[in-house]
Amino acid sequence: DAGVIQSPRHEVTEMGQEVTLRCKPISGHDYLFWYRQTMMRGLELLIYFNNNVPIDDSGMPEDRFSAKMPNASFSTLKIQPSEPRDSAVYFCASSLGSSGGPHGYTFGSGTRLTVV
Amino acid sequence: KQEVTQIPAALSVPEGENLVLNCSFTDSAIYNLQWFRQDPGKGLTSLLLIQSSQREQTSGRLNASLDKSSGRSTLYIAASQPGDSATYLCAVRPLNAGNMLTFGGGTRLMVKP
Repeated sequence: DAGVIQSPRHEVTEMGQEVTLRCKPISGHDYLFWYRQTMMRGLELLIYFNNNVPIDDSGMPEDRFSAKMPNASFSTLKIQPSEPRDSAVYFCASSLGSSGGPHGYTFGSGTRLTVV
Repeated sequence: KQEVTQIPAALSVPEGENLVLNCSFTDSAIYNLQWFRQDPGKGLTSLLLIQSSQREQTSGRLNASLDKSSGRSTLYIAASQPGDSATYLCAVRPLNAGNMLTFGGGTRLMVKP
């Protein structure tokens, strides 16, 4: 398996523009998570899905953020409009089962977002 | 609310030294605890996963222990190498918080040749 695949690896955009981050989880994993990492706040959970259904989005900072999982192999995190304070590394992770399965959580390589 | 703390925040050691990284968590009701490695500008790589019923896990030069009652885990690295230089993160999966993985702030390790 190629692991959790995220695209793009880097994104630079101007304030006010729409940004879409993409994630392909490991085949067969039924949980998908979106995390944000910054120097100030570390890793924060934004939202997670179980069997394509959003379960907890309490970590989504505000209405400018939205996430979808139209099928078991694809998820998107959208920011509209983007702001400089959204600059961070966004990680997608997936797991098998609610306890993480025998290997726990598997993370993608992340998308480094810079909003100027 | 579960809080995870890692001490020290940064550590610099000479090559060959054995070292211990510490992780503490406030709520002992957990499913499991996972140690990750993060290289600069990279994603997280899972190192070891300890289920709540286990006391330790080993992989090569790495050994992770879990004392759930005291809310502590340690990651032991034997015979450290410059290639071990990275940030090490521990994360717990609480029993009563949905499926949220709570991370510590990490320990930034530098192993000098």
